Amino acid sequence: SQTIHQWPATLVQPVGSPLSLECTVEGTSNPNLYWYRQAAGRGLQLLFYSVGIGQISSEVPQNLSASRPQDRQFILSSKKLLLSDSGFYLCAWSNVGLPPEGELFFGEGSRLTVL
Amino acid sequence: DAKTTQPNSMESNEEEPVHLPCNHSTISGTDYIHWYRQLPSQGPEYVIHGLTSNVNNRMASLAIAEDRKSSTLILHRATLRDAAVYYCILRDGFGNEKLTFGTGTRLTIIP
Repeated sequence: SQTIHQWPATLVQPVGSPLSLECTVEGTSNPNLYWYRQAAGRGLQLLFYSVGIGQISSEVPQNLSASRPQDRQFILSSKKLLLSDSGFYLCAWSNVGLPPEGELFFGEGSRLTVL
Repeated sequence: DAKTTQPNSMESNEEEPVHLPCNHSTISGTDYIHWYRQLPSQGPEYVIHGLTSNVNNRMASLAIAEDRKSSTLILHRATLRDAAVYYCILRDGFGNEKLTFGTGTRLTIIP
């Protein structure tokens, strides 16, 4: 069966420090991968999505970046965190090539607090 | 992207049916309607989806208007565990992998 893991689960970082959140998927090949962010009391904001290794689409211009160094690994990074980067970060995957009925599977989330 | 509009919040009594509305007036003919829900401090989970016909599964029912410009998620007998934020999203039929969520409806269940 397929599983998705992301870590760390909780992170407290000072303003200006770097960030690295990692997400891995097991049990499937060539998945679509997504990073979403949810600010406190807000909806889900799509940050990045990837349809293959090295292929990253950015939805929101900001100081975050994403990389996909391996088929089932998706990394969210920042060189210098801002206060506004605080939030709940969610990684998700879906199968490629299926009809649009295919569902999204979300990880457990990473809660980032920037102080 | 085709947009969806949902009420910010709703309340319902425990063990009663709940009807969660979603408007998607700019839906295209190939857009699928998906519903997800997010429990507190968790990632969203899939609930149900449909294209034109009404759909039922073990979690809920989805009623789709004849013109497809609106849909309703129906929880037949709400429990306290159904308290969550419910998202209605559209997924197009052309392989566009960009999936965007709105702010959803926060459902509160009253014991």
